[in-house]
Amino acid sequence: DSGVTQTPKHLITATGQRVTLRCSPRSGDLSVYWYQQSLDQGLQFLIQYYNGEERAKGNILERFSAQQFPDLHSELNLSSLELGDSALYFCASSEGGLAVYNEQFFGPGTRLTVL
Amino acid sequence: TQLLEQSPQFLSIQEGENLTVYCNSSSVFSSLQWYRQEPGEGPVLLVTVVTGGEVKKLKRLTFQFGDARKDSSLHITAAQPGDTGLYLCAGVRSAGNMLTFGGGTRLMVKP
Repeated sequence: DSGVTQTPKHLITATGQRVTLRCSPRSGDLSVYWYQQSLDQGLQFLIQYYNGEERAKGNILERFSAQQFPDLHSELNLSSLELGDSALYFCASSEGGLAVYNEQFFGPGTRLTVL
Repeated sequence: TQLLEQSPQFLSIQEGENLTVYCNSSSVFSSLQWYRQEPGEGPVLLVTVVTGGEVKKLKRLTFQFGDARKDSSLHITAAQPGDTGLYLCAGVRSAGNMLTFGGGTRLMVKP
């Protein structure tokens, strides 16, 4: 158990819909990272938040947005869903804001299926 | 084309054999990490290497960071069925802050 929790574990929805994925980091960790893992593209970094502020941005679509709240939990919002958005979405957390020095601990993931 | 290329993509071996997984790039990395992921779970960090030429050992696993910090290898001695899983390398580039993952090596160790 990494100490990172994600809800829900599974999510099935239809194209065009909007969903929210939730992540609670390990106790004491200030950084939260979101990743997408699909069969054809591996694990892709989406976005990082550090203590409530956006710190780094990867290949995140404009239809996707995220935020980190004062209690440090984070939400990833996915809107206008397409079939290709079906994937595993992972949240990870680390102590500090610099990815080069901070080891990341991954949650169990949310499996999103868009029908 | 991935920034970090892992090879082989798939590996199926018998229990007791040795194996090496490679992680290569044309870019320099400040640090490189190796993860293991089992089906339905998130990646679990195995090791972080930060110094060129660094070698770290974790029981039967040996990790090496290339002298130029552009590549890494993972060597498993006397593989066991419990080593089965997806092995991912991930690096942070010198100028950036994001963790970039390789495509992964899917290892199956048969009893």
